[in-house]
Amino acid sequence: AQSVTQLGSHVSVSEGALVLLRCNYSSSVPPYLFWYVQYPNQGLQLLLKYTTGATLVKGINGFEAEFKKSETSFHLTKPSAHMSDAAEYFCAVSDLTGNQFYFGTGTSLTVIP
Amino acid sequence: DARVTQTPRHKVTEMGQEVTMRCQPILGHNTVFWYRQTMMQGLELLAYFRNRAPLDDSGMPKDRFSAEMPDATLATLKIQPSEPRDSAVYFCASGLVVGAGSSPLHFGNGTRLTVT
Repeated sequence: AQSVTQLGSHVSVSEGALVLLRCNYSSSVPPYLFWYVQYPNQGLQLLLKYTTGATLVKGINGFEAEFKKSETSFHLTKPSAHMSDAAEYFCAVSDLTGNQFYFGTGTSLTVIP
Repeated sequence: DARVTQTPRHKVTEMGQEVTMRCQPILGHNTVFWYRQTMMQGLELLAYFRNRAPLDDSGMPKDRFSAEMPDATLATLKIQPSEPRDSAVYFCASGLVVGAGSSPLHFGNGTRLTVT
């Protein structure tokens, strides 16, 4: 079975600062990789995904993530944090069959004015 | 914009009562997942379906939980009898699996269940 580790359950950044949310996965076969964002009282929304091809993936709201096979990582970044980015972020992996989606425990992002 | 629709959004019930949560997956999607989210446990997979057939429901307490897909446009999750520890937000998500590839999951806004 695969697993997803998100380092840091809480991350605080100042408005305008770099956002870096870490995600590592365990898999012998490169899986599909996703980042989701959850705002209060809402479901998870897809930010970006990696399936094949270019390892730097751009998503919505200025976020991007880079798939690094050698490090089994898929960290999420945004150059400049905005107050509206405050939310819970989940990293997820799925196997190639789509039969299983594994979610990390989430990282709560706080943006300080 | 296609969405996964879950009803009800909120449910408050007393211990011992039956609870039914409904989910309408995105039209054309062939995979449906049920998750439960709590502060303590995070996101827990309860069950998932492919082409309406249950593929895995090992995450569900079998004695009280049941999940079905009566048709391609409706998935249900029932709890009978409900207990206070069932209080959580229940999410339905749908996706499309074709051949060797799969799409991301699309989530509904959840049903917030409170059992008193």
